[in-house]
Amino acid sequence: DAGVTQSPTHLIKTRGQHVTLRCSPISGHKSVSWYQQVLGQGPQFIFQYYEKEERGRGNFPDRFSARQFPNYSSELNVNALLLGDSALYLCASRVSRGNTEAFFGQGTRLTVV
Amino acid sequence: SQKIEQNSEALNIQEGKTATLTCNYTNYSPAYLQWYRQDPGRGPVFLLLIRENEKEKRKERLKVTFDTTLKQSLFHITASQPADSATYLCALDIFNNAGNMLTFGGGTRLMVKP
Repeated sequence: DAGVTQSPTHLIKTRGQHVTLRCSPISGHKSVSWYQQVLGQGPQFIFQYYEKEERGRGNFPDRFSARQFPNYSSELNVNALLLGDSALYLCASRVSRGNTEAFFGQGTRLTVV
Repeated sequence: SQKIEQNSEALNIQEGKTATLTCNYTNYSPAYLQWYRQDPGRGPVFLLLIRENEKEKRKERLKVTFDTTLKQSLFHITASQPADSATYLCALDIFNNAGNMLTFGGGTRLMVKP
């Protein structure tokens, strides 16, 4: 069975540009969450989507947005990129909204120059 | 403020010894606590989940304790091996007005020397 897949694996963008990151959850998982992990720190929660609706938002600016599609895949969009947005972006899927293990993808390494 | 603290310094131990990692939290009352392993450049991998009414959980060489009075979880790896070298993350399953989310500590890097 395929795990959580994210694309692309690496990305280099220039300040001010926008980026779209993609995630395909494990089949049957309806919950997708996005996390940002800066080097040397733990993952920070950005969004949760469940059944195609936003169910949670972390402390991130409005430049960050996301959506979930009918097949439960998800996109994370970041506009007006800043140098500080450079990080590993992780997608996690769960069979339910919470209180179960989360399965993470390998992440997208975003570098903003 | 709400905090989840793990020892930010690396833990170095000899192969065969027991590694003990600590996770302390404040201002949370989580019903669930989880531990993950993360290798460099990879996503976290789930290890164990413990509920608030469980004091201890075991899986092979791994053991987790959860003390809701002390607001602390301990993660033990017995008979450690060099392959256990990784960063270990503690995460609280939080449900609040921001949604249902895993809130992570900063992680502790474990180095097991042969």
